[in-house]
Amino acid sequence: GAVVSQHPSWVICKSGTSVKIECRSLDFQATTMFWYRQFPKQSLMLMATSNEGSKATYEQGVEKDKFLINHASLTLSTLTVTSAHPEDSSFYICSAYSSGASSYEQYFGPGTRLTVT
Amino acid sequence: RKEVEQDPGPFNVPEGATVAFNCTYSNSASQSFFWYRQDCRKEPKLLMSVYSSGNEDGRFTAQLNRASQYISLLIRDSKLSDSATYLCVVIVRTNQFYFGTGTSLTVIP
Repeated sequence: GAVVSQHPSWVICKSGTSVKIECRSLDFQATTMFWYRQFPKQSLMLMATSNEGSKATYEQGVEKDKFLINHASLTLSTLTVTSAHPEDSSFYICSAYSSGASSYEQYFGPGTRLTVT
Repeated sequence: RKEVEQDPGPFNVPEGATVAFNCTYSNSASQSFFWYRQDCRKEPKLLMSVYSSGNEDGRFTAQLNRASQYISLLIRDSKLSDSATYLCVVIVRTNQFYFGTGTSLTVIP
């Protein structure tokens, strides 16, 4: 199947700093990428939907000024957590989807574990 | 009302047992349905698609009931390695994906 990578896989940062997470589709063009957050023992929570070349659509309750999403190319989307705080510590997962695909399958990245101290 | 509602779980079953999970969806226009499996601290991985005619893959059977608007996943002869969280996904249209909250399964020796 298609491959999606995320970088970094694990990051620790101090409170108040910003962290950028990259999501790349390695062998297909992703017209749409999704960003999720998952707290321990909880389900995936969709944060935003990112379409290449346009502004991201954020889910209710997700601060767009805090979680900056850029989808500048068909293979790369970035999520920047600005002024991170300990409560932002979570597992961030991206997924990618190609509108040209025959199915609606999403391909997930391996996730980025963020710890804010 | 949530777009997708999933059995709360957790399910703790002995090896060899048969276990079933359900997800109900609210939008009758939903087009595609999937079951994903997520292991602890890992990303979800596609387990199987769900078709109107039902589909089977080894010990796993997925079914769709459009009239009652639910999908199901049946696992027969449970193995220890089946322990994971199972997520249902419902796609209403392009870019409208809805995940269930996940059902935790633990298979006990």
